[in-house]
Amino acid sequence: GQQVMQIPQYQHVQEGEDFTTYCNSSTTLSNIQWYKQRPGGHPVFLIQLVKSGEVKKQKRLTFQFGEAKKNSSLHITATQTTDVGTYFCAGPTSGTYKYIFGTGTRLKVLA
Amino acid sequence: DAGITQSPRYKITETGRQVTLMCHQTWSHSYMFWYRQDLGHGLRLIYYSAAADITDKGEVPDGYVVSRSKTENFPLTLESATRSQTSVYFCASSEGQLIEAFFGQGTRLTVV
Repeated sequence: GQQVMQIPQYQHVQEGEDFTTYCNSSTTLSNIQWYKQRPGGHPVFLIQLVKSGEVKKQKRLTFQFGEAKKNSSLHITATQTTDVGTYFCAGPTSGTYKYIFGTGTRLKVLA
Repeated sequence: DAGITQSPRYKITETGRQVTLMCHQTWSHSYMFWYRQDLGHGLRLIYYSAAADITDKGEVPDGYVVSRSKTENFPLTLESATRSQTSVYFCASSEGQLIEAFFGQGTRLTVV
């Protein structure tokens, strides 16, 4: 079945350093979503990418969808303590609206 | 208040008991989902629903039952709880296909 993998699983960075998490799907995705979950909280939608090669920015966050629509990345510039949490990508199973989530990347930011 | 709410927030139950987790949303979203979250596995889809009386299995449906008689409610029942079902359960809803989902606060279930 379809698999969505994320790397790394964990990342510790010093405040001010950059951070990147990568998402790879075993199948082509019609779109990809990113969510953030704060410790003890629930996933919160960040963004959706639809087009091949699409790049979207939200302040210090840059999201990219691969040309083949099988991978994606989230880059955070100059991390802050408020960026702490787990970042998930999610993609729909082919032909359905059933979203499969990646395993997540847990980010810790050291002040 | 508008939104998506789950109850209870915390539940401890014994092996073999039946337990139902409730999910209620006030947006009249058509699509609803149940996920479980375990360390190392991320969020795994249990069941989902496109509308009232329409449900379908996700990645890990065994041991769970859902119903959706009303658009706003999507209860998840563990027919005979097992320790492996100890997890955090999240309900989510979405207005349409392939758009953002809104998650509830989660239910932490412990099966002893």
